[in-house]
Amino acid sequence: KQEVTQIPAALSVPEGENLVLNCSFTDSAIYNLQWFRQDPGKGLTSLLLIQSSQREQTSGRLNASLDKSSGRSTLYIAASQPGDSATYLCAVKSNYQLIWGAGTKLIIKP
Amino acid sequence: DARVTQTPRHKVTEMGQEVTMRCQPILGHNTVFWYRQTMMQGLELLAYFRNRAPLDDSGMPKDRFSAEMPDATLATLKIQPSEPRDSAVYFCASGTVGGADEQFFGPGTRLTVL
Repeated sequence: KQEVTQIPAALSVPEGENLVLNCSFTDSAIYNLQWFRQDPGKGLTSLLLIQSSQREQTSGRLNASLDKSSGRSTLYIAASQPGDSATYLCAVKSNYQLIWGAGTKLIIKP
Repeated sequence: DARVTQTPRHKVTEMGQEVTMRCQPILGHNTVFWYRQTMMQGLELLAYFRNRAPLDDSGMPKDRFSAEMPDATLATLKIQPSEPRDSAVYFCASGTVGGADEQFFGPGTRLTVL
């Protein structure tokens, strides 16, 4: 059974720092991995999707990597801003289902 | 700007009442997902449709929940009768099979059952 873990559960850093959020999964037979952002009381916004055949994806200040063999993905945020404060969730697609991590709550201090 | 829409955004009701939540998937998408999010359980898949056919509803309490797609532009999730433990945020997402396979989420319906 696929399990997804995100570490840390919460992170607080000063504005301007580069940071890394971690996601690990137990079964390497995945279809893709998706990173989402959720603001308090709001829906989920897709940030990046990495297909199983890909190693990384980039969008602006965000870079997501995927290492299937070790069951890991990282989300790198460069030059963090207060507007990046949100909960970040990773989800692994196994078959048609997304299996979700519990999220990392990120606070960027001005 | 194509988006998944959901109505209502908020719903407060009393135990025992029927609740219907609606979702309009992005035009052209052929998969629809219903999720429930709570603090305790996180995100849980309730139902999955492909080309309007229900392929998996194993995550739903069958005795009180039902999900349908009357047409390609509308998905509904119904709870009858509602119970306080159903209080949660219900999200609808849509996507395409065979394409990028990315899921796009609606803003959610926040349900409170008193």
